[in-house]
Amino acid sequence: QQQVKQSPQSLIVQKGGIPIINCAYENTAFDYFPWYQQFPGKGPALLIAIRPDVSEKKEGRFTISFNKSAKQFSLHIMDSQPGDSATYFCAASMSGGATNKLIFGTGTLLAVQP
Amino acid sequence: DSGVTQTPKHLITATGQRVTLRCSPRSGDLSVYWYQQSLDQGLQFLIQYYNGEERAKGNILERFSAQQFPDLHSELNLSSLELGDSALYFCASSVPGTRGGEQFFGPGTRLTVL
Repeated sequence: QQQVKQSPQSLIVQKGGIPIINCAYENTAFDYFPWYQQFPGKGPALLIAIRPDVSEKKEGRFTISFNKSAKQFSLHIMDSQPGDSATYFCAASMSGGATNKLIFGTGTLLAVQP
Repeated sequence: DSGVTQTPKHLITATGQRVTLRCSPRSGDLSVYWYQQSLDQGLQFLIQYYNGEERAKGNILERFSAQQFPDLHSELNLSSLELGDSALYFCASSVPGTRGGEQFFGPGTRLTVL
């Protein structure tokens, strides 16, 4: 119940395409859903995050769509660029408990071809 | 640059040895989290400290321990090292009172056990 399932494992798109990465969770106590971007040899960097009271959030070319009833959320990258090639992780946490530790998905390796 | 610093960047040691990883959180952040990233286990939460006190434990082995000092820096101690402990170890910090898991990650320490 603590798991966050992420798909696909890897994704290749052409420059300008819109890669979509999906995540699903079981624990309805999760109330914070961030996405992290990680380049090789670097730490994960917070990209965008959403809470269950909204269904969509946009920041620049990055959009999170959230479906509370289905317990799913996804990341869309508009007008993708080769510089977006990285590993993307979704995560979930609970704000009401003793800890807001992050439970991560397994990651998606994105390659944007020029 | 997230503002979280970790030393050393790389660590190579032998089985059975003990190492210490150090983390300095962002200025003003009271919480420190440790995560392990390996190919087979992904990003896993190990332990959290808040203002010097242990707040939560995750999948942390008994051979591992951590502490947070009065100046808020944290150390992760790994002892009786095994080949399987080879991984990237990340430290993250979050602002006080953050609702949800808005965490900022350091660059990581790559541990290689030979």
